[in-house]
Amino acid sequence: EAQVTQNPRYLITVTGKKLTVTCSQNMNHEYMSWYRQDPGLGLRQIYYSMNVEVTDKGDVPEGYKVSRKEKRNFPLILESPSPNQTSLYFCASSFWPGHEEQYFGPGTRLTVT
Amino acid sequence: TQLLEQSPQFLSIQEGENLTVYCNSSSVFSSLQWYRQEPGEGPVLLVTVVTGGEVKKLKRLTFQFGDARKDSSLHITAAQPGDTGLYLCAGARNTGKLIFGQGTTLQVKP
Repeated sequence: EAQVTQNPRYLITVTGKKLTVTCSQNMNHEYMSWYRQDPGLGLRQIYYSMNVEVTDKGDVPEGYKVSRKEKRNFPLILESPSPNQTSLYFCASSFWPGHEEQYFGPGTRLTVT
Repeated sequence: TQLLEQSPQFLSIQEGENLTVYCNSSSVFSSLQWYRQEPGEGPVLLVTVVTGGEVKKLKRLTFQFGDARKDSSLHITAAQPGDTGLYLCAGARNTGKLIFGQGTTLQVKP
């Protein structure tokens, strides 16, 4: 089954404790992206990757890191999480952004206390 | 900075009514997509429009891309309770960057 998987689905952590949210897709998509979703703000792009070893900042990259060492994986790293990073996070992938369907993962709800 | 303004943000209507959601920007996009999101799930693509002036229909949903490729609209005819959800527009740049609107929460009452 074609899908984007994210783990964990739920995470409660404390300020400053490094964490990684994994994202994997099995559709051989070149493009992968991370978003955060907050009430009234829609989806905001954090980072995106056009292909392996190619990553670019989205609109809200501060406090986040990503890597794209393999085509299928695109982990999101929070080196020192802060409460303002409490949000719902989505990973997505597609063949070509904006022109082909972007498939979204199920979301990761992160709470930083 | 929200470069894609979506309106209205909330809409509550009765079954059978028509509605239009707007997505406006001062910037040109290479394409524009509309997604629908159910609670607890990721967004799902409804349509992609690429050409200025393009109109696409999906059953009771009509999507239009502005001539200048800066704005778009989603029109629903005879809304049904099953149309309830969060509707999101997303504009794409040639660089690969995607910008989403704030979303429109639609509630259709039986």
